[in-house]
Amino acid sequence: AQTVTQSQPEMSVQEAETVTLSCTYDTSESDYYLFWYKQPPSRQMILVIRQEAYKQQNATENRFSVNFQKAAKSFSLKISDSQLGDAAMYFCAYREGGSNFGNEKLTFGTGTRLTIIP
Amino acid sequence: DTEVTQTPKHLVMGMTNKKSLKCEQHMGHRAMYWYKQKAKKPPELMFVYSYEKLSINESVPSRFSPECPNSSLLNLHLHALQPEDSALYLCASSQVQGKGTGELFFGEGSRLTVL
Repeated sequence: AQTVTQSQPEMSVQEAETVTLSCTYDTSESDYYLFWYKQPPSRQMILVIRQEAYKQQNATENRFSVNFQKAAKSFSLKISDSQLGDAAMYFCAYREGGSNFGNEKLTFGTGTRLTIIP
Repeated sequence: DTEVTQTPKHLVMGMTNKKSLKCEQHMGHRAMYWYKQKAKKPPELMFVYSYEKLSINESVPSRFSPECPNSSLLNLHLHALQPEDSALYLCASSQVQGKGTGELFFGEGSRLTVL
């Protein structure tokens, strides 16, 4: 079974600084997706960034970027120019690729609570 | 429309009550999900429907009964729940495996309290 590990239960960063959240995963598959989701206190799960395993180039979305190391099974999230609105729980998540019926599950890590210090 | 809409947002029920949670999406997604989330924990998968057929049941107790009446709607029927079932219930939808970009779209959740 696939597992996703986030070793940092809590992180804090000064406003406007950069922070990196860590994630490692375990899988025997070669085709899969990785995601970072954000869940603010308002509780809705919001997609921050996605990475397809077959793509070597690291994904970026404005201030958010990932460092995807496929061989090491590592998928860290870097937030640049941190803003107060970035405060939330961040979940790393894994989903198998392919087209097998019944394999649609999204597996989450335990989450990292990010605090932004004004 | 990129929304997943869940109703009700809050629900309080007794252990003998029967209630339902509802979820709706109009993104043309053919996979829909129920997740349960306890405070400060990640969401835990309960059920997945793919093309309106139940594809995954993560050994959920029978007091939770899912239903997918059509490709846009997903219900979770609740009966004889226990206080430990109190949690945030999240609905999500996505393209099925092998299509789209893989991400799940989540609703805001239904906060359930069982007395």
